[in-house]
Amino acid sequence: SQELEQSPQSLIVQEGKNLTINCTSSKTLYGLYWYKQKYGEGLIFLMMLQKGGEEKSHEKITAKLDEKKQQSSLHITASQPSHAGIYLCGALAGFGNEKLTFGTGTRLTIIP
Amino acid sequence: DTAVSQTPKYLVTQMGNDKSIKCEQNLGHDTMYWYKQDSKKFLKIMFSYNNKELIINETVPNRFSPKSPDKAHLNLHINSLELGDSAVYFCASQDRGGNEQFFGPGTRLTVL
Repeated sequence: SQELEQSPQSLIVQEGKNLTINCTSSKTLYGLYWYKQKYGEGLIFLMMLQKGGEEKSHEKITAKLDEKKQQSSLHITASQPSHAGIYLCGALAGFGNEKLTFGTGTRLTIIP
Repeated sequence: DTAVSQTPKYLVTQMGNDKSIKCEQNLGHDTMYWYKQDSKKFLKIMFSYNNKELIINETVPNRFSPKSPDKAHLNLHINSLELGDSAVYFCASQDRGGNEQFFGPGTRLTVL
């Protein structure tokens, strides 16, 4: 079965600083999703990547999928308190397998 | 011990039938969620319960009715199943004040 490992497990960053969260898969990724969790709000979809080398940005968040499609990174520029939460990567378990498998999660804390 | 469990893992049924999916968490969490993984593999929140009380109810047909007999259980009952209900349904739980949601393994529902 596919395993997704995220690093770091937790991150404390001063407001305004940049940060990167990584998601590494034991197998080739057929679709990689980034979500953010906040209490009481459910999962918030951030981005989805499918092609090797693909990069997407939304506001101050950029996600990349490497050429080998086994690693993705999420980069936040000029972090703000609103970025705090738990970031979760999710991947399709395999070609033709529709179920998402989730990473271990990264807890992000932003300090003023 | 499984933290968040769902039964059944797979459910195949005919259109028009009524079915239930059960979810149990042994983490002592206050809040539980139901998500539907749609055809594009995005997770969409359906319901959220806090201490047996409904707090989030997204635009979901009335045929879907969550039931929380106690804070460790959140079941999903679906009446008059339709083809479009075919999806993977995820249950999750979350502790008060915590950001992380713990997900169940998912239930793949197929409506024929």
